[in-house]
Amino acid sequence: SQQGEEDPQALSIQEGENATMNCSYKTSINNLQWYRQNSGRGLVHLILIRSNEREKHSGRLRVTLDTSKKSSSLLITASRAADTASYFCATKGSGNTPLVFGKGTRLSVIA
Amino acid sequence: DGGITQSPKYLFRKEGQNVTLSCEQNLNHDAMYWYRQDPGQGLRLIYYSQIVNDFQKGDIAEGYSVSREKKESFPLTVTSAQKNPTAFYLCASHYYTEAFFGQGTRLTVV
Repeated sequence: SQQGEEDPQALSIQEGENATMNCSYKTSINNLQWYRQNSGRGLVHLILIRSNEREKHSGRLRVTLDTSKKSSSLLITASRAADTASYFCATKGSGNTPLVFGKGTRLSVIA
Repeated sequence: DGGITQSPKYLFRKEGQNVTLSCEQNLNHDAMYWYRQDPGQGLRLIYYSQIVNDFQKGDIAEGYSVSREKKESFPLTVTSAQKNPTAFYLCASHYYTEAFFGQGTRLTVV
């Protein structure tokens, strides 16, 4: 069951602009993670936010989590052409439940 | 270098044939997962294994089989029962809740 749903499906911005993508999910979670995938490659872990956290930063990345709305957002500030990729949210429930990925947002950063 | 190694990178299969995708890890992680990705889509879970000699079906296990005889290895067999096997297959290991991915195998049925 795909729990995370990213929005928008695709996003095109100019270099230097900020990019925001959103993720909604349906059931309670232990944590939510964001991954990046370059075309034709595997996914790379970017950042994890726990259910008791509201905001987290890592370099140019800022993640927020609103458990009451079952949603998260990923903000990439001062985007670069190298940020062009697909971004996926993944949710983890309690215990040994597997990580569940959404369908992703395709980000294009135009130089 | 530590990581997840998937082979081959590209694989072509004739209809009606079984084919096995390799996934090896040297990260000493207990849990390993197989995902399928179709164009423009997210990852769908095929099978996962939390420990050697044990594995569970994911959301789309029909037409696939796995084994977990060694901690380092989690091969996926795509059987002739899988009606639409053309896809990008990703293997991952999990450490606590973070996933580490291989570079994928692109399977095409010809």
